Amino acid sequence: GESVGLHLPTLSVQEGDNSIINCAYSNSASDYFIWYKQESGKGPQFIIDIRSNMDKRQGQRVTVLLNKTVKHLSLQIAATQPGDSAVYFCAETRVDTGFQKLVFGTGTRLLVSP
Amino acid sequence: DAGVTQSPTHLIKTRGQQVTLRCSPKSGHDTVSWYQQALGQGPQFIFQYYEEEERQRGNFPDRFSGHQFPNYSSELNVNALLLGDSALYLCASSLRADGTDTQYFGPGTRLTVL
Repeated sequence: GESVGLHLPTLSVQEGDNSIINCAYSNSASDYFIWYKQESGKGPQFIIDIRSNMDKRQGQRVTVLLNKTVKHLSLQIAATQPGDSAVYFCAETRVDTGFQKLVFGTGTRLLVSP
Repeated sequence: DAGVTQSPTHLIKTRGQQVTLRCSPKSGHDTVSWYQQALGQGPQFIFQYYEEEERQRGNFPDRFSGHQFPNYSSELNVNALLLGDSALYLCASSLRADGTDTQYFGPGTRLTVL
């Protein structure tokens, strides 16, 4: 079935470190990928997205890398802060179908220690 | 610019009852998607509405139904509630013509079925 898996359920880092959250996706037809951050008691918050015709995209303190050959996605957070502590989800979809559903994985919990 | 809003915030029902959840999309958005998020899991796609019609549906029974109004707001209805329907119900909105269909989520409605 469809799935978006994550390698690590929990990632613990020190404040100021760089964090890398990985994600493997299974649908080779997916052409649009999104990273969301979800804090306790809140809905997922859009962080950054990337289309399949790109292999890297940078935002403010975040970078998403896409490797279509091995169907792997990663989110890099530079200089991680305590406020970055949350669950991070990658999601995949197909834009070309017109109406798309996001397929989420189970998430990675990021814990940032001061 | 108001983001996605959902009501109510929390809801407690008993088995067999019916529930209606409401969503107002982000200003300027015309498409609404609904997701179910069980505790510790990623969101699961229920269905998506555009132009007041259900356009795509996930693997959910007919007990789950919805509606979109001319002002783009939406309702999710669940009949004959089961204990397993207890979850966070998320609404996401997007702009159909945007191409990327980036979905922005509301805070969710926490449904507890006793």
